[in-house]
Amino acid sequence: GQQVMQIPQYQHVQEGEDFTTYCNSSTTLSNIQWYKQRPGGHPVFLIQLVKSGEVKKQKRLTFQFGEAKKNSSLHITATQTTDVGTYFCAGSDYKLSFGAGTTVTVRA
Amino acid sequence: GAGVSQSPSNKVTEKGKDVELRCDPISGHTALYWYRQSLGQGLEFLIYFQGNSAPDKSGLPSDRFSAERTGGSVSTLTIQRTQQEDSAVYLCASSFMDRATEAFFGQGTRLTVV
Repeated sequence: GQQVMQIPQYQHVQEGEDFTTYCNSSTTLSNIQWYKQRPGGHPVFLIQLVKSGEVKKQKRLTFQFGEAKKNSSLHITATQTTDVGTYFCAGSDYKLSFGAGTTVTVRA
Repeated sequence: GAGVSQSPSNKVTEKGKDVELRCDPISGHTALYWYRQSLGQGLEFLIYFQGNSAPDKSGLPSDRFSAERTGGSVSTLTIQRTQQEDSAVYLCASSFMDRATEAFFGQGTRLTVV
């Protein structure tokens, strides 16, 4: 079955720095979704990528879908304390399969 | 309703007891998912419903776990003879279609087995 893997598992970032988290699938994905879960909260949808090579931006967040539609990345620039949380990617064939997530902490 | 509603929000039960967790999805959403999240861990897929049918039950950890969905709406996750390792947050999510649209999560039920 489809497996989605995320790296790194933990990301400790100095406020103001940039970082990237990666998502890799064992199979080609029809689309990929990204979610953010704040500490103590539930996952909240951020974005969906559908097309090969697609790039979407949300303010300081840049999402990319690989050409082969088997990997994706999330790049955050100028990290802020509000970026704290766990970022999950989710691949879908007929169900949403979540990666293990990247937990982000920020040093002020 | 305005969002996905789960009840109870917290449940403490004694080992060996049965528990029922309820999920009320967003009206009109045909797809419904149950996930389990242990402390500091990712989202473990349990079961997926499309309408009232469950095409994928592969994530249910054992035969103590079962789920049903009636009227294409409310879903109940039942855990029989609970064990301490069942302690986790159980999250329900729904979406308009099976895969092409965003999933909306409920606040979860925190289950503690003592």
